[in-house]
Amino acid sequence: GENVEQHPSTLSVQEGDSAVIKCTYSDSASNYFPWYKQELGKGPQLIIDIRSNVGEKKDQRIAVTLNKTAKHFSLHITETQPEDSAVYFCAASMVNDMRFGAGTRLTVKP
Amino acid sequence: EAQVTQNPRYLITVTGKKLTVTCSQNMNHEYMSWYRQDPGLGLRQIYYSMNVEVTDKGDVPEGYKVSRKEKRNFPLILESPSPNQTSLYFCASSLGRLNTEAFFGQGTRLTVV
Repeated sequence: GENVEQHPSTLSVQEGDSAVIKCTYSDSASNYFPWYKQELGKGPQLIIDIRSNVGEKKDQRIAVTLNKTAKHFSLHITETQPEDSAVYFCAASMVNDMRFGAGTRLTVKP
Repeated sequence: EAQVTQNPRYLITVTGKKLTVTCSQNMNHEYMSWYRQDPGLGLRQIYYSMNVEVTDKGDVPEGYKVSRKEKRNFPLILESPSPNQTSLYFCASSLGRLNTEAFFGQGTRLTVV
């Protein structure tokens, strides 16, 4: 079936370094790709999204890139800070539904 | 403040004892859904509702029921809980099913013993 694969499942970086999380999707008709951040004890919250007519989008230290030909998109966090530590989920719109990746647990070491 | 409110946050119950997890949103969203989150599996949709009195199965509906009698409320019902339903549950709402931001509740951690 249609799905979204997310890698890596865990990521540990030093404060100030960059972090990259990658997702691939299977439905070539997908046109909306949000990223959610889930802090400990909370529900996922949208941090950035991108639509298929755009190749890259930035918001301060976070950016998302989309390669529709290869059917993959990535989240980039620069100058990481301890408060970036969380679980991150990518998602993609499929024919009849939104599908989520399995999540990446990011740890930023001070 | 725009929010999705779930209750309870934590629940420990015994096998077979019916329970209901409530969900309410104050954003006048038409679309609401329930997810369960399990390690390594991400968020899997249980049920969703396009509008009042319109509900449908998601990917993992077995053992769950829902109702949508009012636009703001979307309770999740476990008629006869089993240990494999031990999980973290999230309710979400959005303007539509696709291509729009989903707003999630705080989560309900359910343990069935």
